[in-house]
Amino acid sequence: QVQLQESGPRLVEPSQTLSLKCTVSGDSISSGYWYWNWLRQPAGKGLEYIGRIYARGGTDYNPSLKSRVTMSVDASNNQFSLRLTSVTAADTAVYYCTKDLLGPWGQGILVTVSS
Amino acid sequence: DIQMTQSPSTLSASVGDRVTITCRASQSISSWLAWYQQKPGKAPKVLIYMASTLESGVPSRFSGSGSGTEFTLTISSLQPGDFATYYCQHYNTFSWTFGQGTKVEIK
Repeated sequence: QVQLQESGPRLVEPSQTLSLKCTVSGDSISSGYWYWNWLRQPAGKGLEYIGRIYARGGTDYNPSLKSRVTMSVDASNNQFSLRLTSVTAADTAVYYCTKDLLGPWGQGILVTVSS
Repeated sequence: DIQMTQSPSTLSASVGDRVTITCRASQSISSWLAWYQQKPGKAPKVLIYMASTLESGVPSRFSGSGSGTEFTLTISSLQPGDFATYYCQHYNTFSWTFGQGTKVEIK
């Protein structure tokens, strides 16, 4: 059974960099042709797609966030990561990692941007 | 950019009711559409993909239809566990775009 788990700092200061990891168990992140996604959801609001990274390392980012987003794969630890630079309060949200189109999804991690 | 618009934003219904949610795309997206259910404090769960294909394990009371720009999610007989927020999602080779959500409340 494939499971995903987000981890990282839950509080980030404005203008700093948000860094999250997604640990995958039950599947090899570097096998097959899957892609691995990051999404976010501000409290009480809808879902926003941040982007994806492919098993071989290619990426696609939401154009609205592209200038601030970097995703990477750490195959040795079966993880993929998200970096979002120059954060503001508008980046406060629950961040989810997911596998491909049909999931599964991680449980989500609330990241608050505040001083 | 393709925009996805759901209606209604909120729907009040009773157990046993037939419920229909509509999703419209700003341009044709063929059948590249999925439906998700999200309960408070939980991650979304995919119900339907390719507009009408039921994901494994999803009850058959859920169904999807449509193609091009107009899509519907139908719950044939609303059950207590179906009170949740539903999102449509356009997916393509490069990105995903979500509708704003439809909250199904108890009447």
